[in-house]
Amino acid sequence: ETGVTQTPRHLVMGMTNKKSLKCEQHLGHNAMYWYKQSAKKPLELMFVYSLEERVENNSVPSRFSPECPNSSHLFLHLHTLQPEDSALYLCASSPEGAGQQETQYFGPGTRLLVL
Amino acid sequence: EDQVTQSPEALRLQEGESSSLNCSYTVSGLRGLFWYRQDPGKGPEFLFTLYSAGEEKEKERLKATLTKKESFLHITAPKPEDSATYLCAVLGGNDYKLSFGAGTTVTVRA
Repeated sequence: ETGVTQTPRHLVMGMTNKKSLKCEQHLGHNAMYWYKQSAKKPLELMFVYSLEERVENNSVPSRFSPECPNSSHLFLHLHTLQPEDSALYLCASSPEGAGQQETQYFGPGTRLLVL
Repeated sequence: EDQVTQSPEALRLQEGESSSLNCSYTVSGLRGLFWYRQDPGKGPEFLFTLYSAGEEKEKERLKATLTKKESFLHITAPKPEDSATYLCAVLGGNDYKLSFGAGTTVTVRA
């Protein structure tokens, strides 16, 4: 595997379910990000981890809970979501750490549908 | 707060018909402007980073330019495979957050 991978690619869940999204980067990067992409809207930054420490929680509801066990893996735990949370969830990584003049590389995303 | 506006929202081109996409931005101390391409159902794919006014970068039929207020993505003689949504993002000031525009969806007809 190369680049940034995400699993699952598609997820359908009910409002009372608990599920987790997984992201893995094979680039040796130090920073990882979660974004939400809704139709016709700009990407919204949700969480940032730099060297495994969270540096941003962008006013995201507590029903979204991130976890970064090491610099290569990032999880997004989902609990009692709402239908408006349906979106494409994107993971990204960057080389040196959040805030540098550097490029973020994105995974393919998880398409989430909340019923 | 950084702001990014992309225009037009959608662009339909005939194969070979060159055109330009606009990204206007307001940022306190630009540290980088990024262009990405996104195909339906996929994550954004990195194209270019521009750091200072006057800078230009090229890749195949794409050329990105930067001024102090806006960036253009020029598509020369496009092909159907250039059909995608093109995203612009800026990194400014002391922030570590990329601010994205809503994108321009380009459709190239054969």
